[in-house]
This record gives sequence, C-alpha cells and structure tokens, in this order.
Amino acid sequence: EIVMTQSPLFLPVTPGEPASISCRSSQSLLHRSGNKYFDWYVQKPGQSPQLLIYMGSNRASGASDRFSGSGSGTDFTLKISRVEAEDVGVYYCMQSVKAPLTFGQGTRLEIK
Amino acid sequence: EVQLMESGGGLVQPGGSLRLSCAASGFSLNNYWMRWFRQAPGKGLEWVASISQDGSVKDYMESVEGRFIVSRDNAENSLYIQVNSLRDEDTAVYYCARRHTTGASDVWGQGTMVTVSS
Repeated sequence: EIVMTQSPLFLPVTPGEPASISCRSSQSLLHRSGNKYFDWYVQKPGQSPQLLIYMGSNRASGASDRFSGSGSGTDFTLKISRVEAEDVGVYYCMQSVKAPLTFGQGTRLEIK
Repeated sequence: EVQLMESGGGLVQPGGSLRLSCAASGFSLNNYWMRWFRQAPGKGLEWVASISQDGSVKDYMESVEGRFIVSRDNAENSLYIQVNSLRDEDTAVYYCARRHTTGASDVWGQGTMVTVSS
C-alpha cells in the first residue's frame, strides 16, 4: 500500500497571506503512461470533498487560480497564493496510481 | 447539471446488511469507472471500492473484501454497493464518486450515513 504523508496537519493562516501544504508518497506516483495519478481535494465544513488539482498540477474546473499544484515522483505541494476566508476546510492529497487508493491524513486550514 | 446522489444509509446492527445506491444525472454512467469512498465520524477519507465501466473489474479495500459487493446498472444510470456483515468500524458517511479519465474523482455525491450499532 502506498502511504501518503501530509504536512502540516494544522495550518492557521492570516487572510491575504500565502499557504503551502506538502504531501509525500512512499512510492513514485508516475504511471508508465507518463501521467502522475495524484490529486488534491478540499472538504469544506459540512460538504462533500471536491476536486481541486488533478495530475499533480492541473486546476479542476471551477477551482480558483489562487491554487496551484506542483511536484513529481514522490513529493508534491499545494500552494495558495493568498488565503481567503472561503478556503477554510480540510485538504487531502490522494494517489490513484495503484490500488488501494490512499489519502493523506488531511490538513486543516483555518483563518487566524 | 452533473450530479450524484446517494441513498440507502441508516442504522443497522452489527452483522447486518444494507444496500447503498448512487443515482447519476447529467451524464451517462456507462462512460466512467466509479468509486465508493467513506469517512468515519471526525476522520479522514478512505477509498472503499471501484468498478469498471461495464462492471467486469472490481477492486476493494482489504477490510471489506468478501463483505461488500459493488455493482452497477448502466441502463438505470445507477451504482450500488451491498454492505454485509457490518462491523462497528464500518460506521461512516459513504460517498460515490466519478473517476475522470485523468484518474481523479471529479464528481462526488453528498454522501449517505451508515451507523452500525446495537
């Protein structure tokens, strides 16, 4: 099983400031096709998870351009250029290169 | 509008069974692999099962293998999961999700709660 490790697990941020979340996988997430099967999701309070970034660096439809994803192999980063109040929630990374699909523990972002 | 809507959750005793449903609208289910995930109260997300477009390939997380059965009816545009021999640790909100060609789960339902308790 591929283990996904996120840091930090708790992220208090002042509005307007940038934020960054890291995710490390125990194995490479690069598929033989050349694609990275790695995504970022956010679960806002009381809501279902929603896709934020797919294939490591592609913003999902409707996701703010304040969000960006980067990384390759085993180390990935989600960056928020300027945090807003609406960004409050739990952010998860997930790999789908190999079953069982696995998630990171989640990073709770709160506004200071 | 592209949507998924789960139903069928409830309170069940240990050892009991439920059949969860996921109705798709706004798109044709038969073009997509589909997934079930779950989230125990106050905990993180957990993948449960996946099923291919025609239902011929199914994958399960280890702890539900042999107890849960995922299926689909493309004519009805619906996905199902039969959850049997339920344990306390199966208590969770169960979500269905669509697998996009990129591998991501791009559409999620609102979830249905399964509570296993005597």
